[in-house]
Amino acid sequence: ETGVTQSPTHLIKTRGQQVTLRCSSQSGHNTVSWYQQALGQGPQFIFQYYREEENGRGNFPPRFSGLQFPNYSSELNVNALELDDSALYLCASSPRGGGENTGELFFGEGSRLTVL
Amino acid sequence: LAKTTQPISMDSYEGQEVNITCSHNNIATNDYITWYQQFPSQGPRFIIQGYKTKVTNEVASLFIPADRKSSTLSLPRVSLSDTAVYYCLVGRVGDSSYKLIFGSGTRLLVRP
Repeated sequence: ETGVTQSPTHLIKTRGQQVTLRCSSQSGHNTVSWYQQALGQGPQFIFQYYREEENGRGNFPPRFSGLQFPNYSSELNVNALELDDSALYLCASSPRGGGENTGELFFGEGSRLTVL
Repeated sequence: LAKTTQPISMDSYEGQEVNITCSHNNIATNDYITWYQQFPSQGPRFIIQGYKTKVTNEVASLFIPADRKSSTLSLPRVSLSDTAVYYCLVGRVGDSSYKLIFGSGTRLLVRP
């Protein structure tokens, strides 16, 4: 148990639709990262939020966007869904970010998105 | 960000010691080495982190030679529940630009 909860756990969408995934981090964790994990591959970094500001982004198009709220929970939004967006989306939080990051992230169990 | 190279898969038997080696030839002076474990349909879990020589915790040991161009994760007396994917990552702890970048990992299968 990492204390990081994600919702929904599973969902099915069709191409062109939009999806919002939610993440509740551990109390006091000010940094949230989002990862996409396709079947059989390692997690791919999407972006990170530190104290409500985006703090780094991986090689994902602008239709992947996010938010971090004052309580440090976070959302991942994906617009214009494509078949290749089918994956496990992982949220991870950390008690320290910015210049104090330790390289230790606490991951949730993910949201499995299927795009038909 | 230093790239890492790991074996794609490894097999072992219960009770054996398993050593997974990771190559990171371009590791920078301030980079740390971190290992994560992932079970199917779960998020990765932090196992151990080190900078040089040897680090040990209740789960594993991490051996880092003097040149730091490789590292070895050692799992003592594995059990069936150690079947998982193991990821080796390098990066500059304490740097706000450091983001965990995962490779494909090593799939460890522990047999009875």
